[in-house]
Amino acid sequence: DQQVKQNSPSLSVQEGRISILNCDYTNSMFDYFLWYKKYPAEGPTFLISISSIKDKNEDGRFTVFLNKSAKHLSLHIVPSQPGDSAVYFCAAKDDYKLSFGAGTTVTVRA
Amino acid sequence: DAGVTQSPTHLIKTRGQQVTLRCSPKSGHDTVSWYQQALGQGPQFIFQYYEEEERQRGNFPDRFSGHQFPNYSSELNVNALLLGDSALYLCASSFGVNTEAFFGQGTRLTVV
Repeated sequence: DQQVKQNSPSLSVQEGRISILNCDYTNSMFDYFLWYKKYPAEGPTFLISISSIKDKNEDGRFTVFLNKSAKHLSLHIVPSQPGDSAVYFCAAKDDYKLSFGAGTTVTVRA
Repeated sequence: DAGVTQSPTHLIKTRGQQVTLRCSPKSGHDTVSWYQQALGQGPQFIFQYYEEEERQRGNFPDRFSGHQFPNYSSELNVNALLLGDSALYLCASSFGVNTEAFFGQGTRLTVV
C-alpha cells in the first residue's frame, strides 16, 4: 500500500533553471512532510520540511509547498546547480514512522 | 559531531543465517528508527525504538527484531535470512516530535 507517491522517476534540468519535484499522498493523517536528498553509497540527507498547518516553507534555494486539499506537495529548487544531481525522496510522518516515495532522480545539465 | 554511524557497511550472508546490524545515533538524539531500502524503492519503515522499547512497528515479520541500549545505540537482528532480505538497511535518529530524522550511510546486506 503505497501511501506516498512520486510519479516522476526522473527529471533533467539545465543548470540555473528551476527544478520542480512532485509528491502525492493518500493518508490524511500525515502531519509532517520532509524532503531528503540521496547520493549513491550515502544515506539520505535532510533538505527541508513542512508541517501540515503550513502551506509553504522556504530555506535558501529550496521551497516546499503543501496543498492539503489536493494531498500534494512539491519541492522547488532555484537555481539548480550541478551538485543538486541526486535522488530526491518525499517522506510523510504518521505517528512516529516516515513513509517514503520511490524517489525522483534529478540530473542537472551544464 | 559524528552523526549517525552504522556498522558494518557491507555484509554477505547465506540463506537461513542470522545477522546483526548496529547503529549509533547522532549526539543528543534519543530515538532510533530502522528502514529497509530495496533497489529502486524508497526506504520502508521496520520499527522505532525509544527509551529502550519498540514504540512502533511496520509491516515486517517477527524475524526482524531490535534492541536499544541505555546509551541510545541500537541493533537490528534478522533471523532465518531469505534472498528477499537483500537490501540497504538504514538507521535514522531523531529527538522530539516533528523534527527531521538524520540517517546513517546504511548497511548493504546481500543474502546468497
